[in-house]
Amino acid sequence: ETGVTQTPRHLVMGMTNKKSLKCEQHLGHNAMYWYKQSAKKPLELMFVYNFKEQTENNSVPSRFSPECPNSSHLFLHLHTLQPEDSALYLCASSRAAGASGDYEQYFGPGTRLTVT
Amino acid sequence: SQQGEEDPQALSIQEGENATMNCSYKTSINNLQWYRQNSGRGLVHLILIRSNEREKHSGRLRVTLDTSKKSSSLLITASRAADTASYFCATDGGNQGGKLIFGQGTELSVKP
Repeated sequence: ETGVTQTPRHLVMGMTNKKSLKCEQHLGHNAMYWYKQSAKKPLELMFVYNFKEQTENNSVPSRFSPECPNSSHLFLHLHTLQPEDSALYLCASSRAAGASGDYEQYFGPGTRLTVT
Repeated sequence: SQQGEEDPQALSIQEGENATMNCSYKTSINNLQWYRQNSGRGLVHLILIRSNEREKHSGRLRVTLDTSKKSSSLLITASRAADTASYFCATDGGNQGGKLIFGQGTELSVKP
């Protein structure tokens, strides 16, 4: 978990709120990822950024909006969420998002999101 | 579609025993990775094995890969209570641009 930080660690928001999750990596990596982890389900990839360009949007609803201003920072903007969006949101980084996927990913501690 | 499937879903052993977890996948891969996750925390990378490798060691961890059977196993020897965590395999699904596909994981409980 060291090297990738996420804030806030816990977030409770109403369905009409707008909030943002922040991720920062201090590893000099060029790729960053957002994952959603719900109870009893596999980790779901949401977005991939490689050298600040979005290379993957895994059919994520538009109420989730990512932003990658530079290679070190990644945001996930949230608005009009649903209760089923409650989950642990994990950020990760790697040296790059290579075609062969042979770079290990470093994860942050996650943000526990509860939508009421 | 889900790529990695871990087996068993849960495993409970005594400290000092060995723990073996298995992973099966569906498509061709370039490599397979294993990660550990302590409750409610981020994942920690354990080991990466490439498709042309059959076995890899790291400390008390031994990973095998059988591409003909599309399966991998993770062996933790001489387990400790601190090994209690969920373990996930992840594959690249073959040229997916850095995309990793995770299985549901095996919950390992090591009792002191």
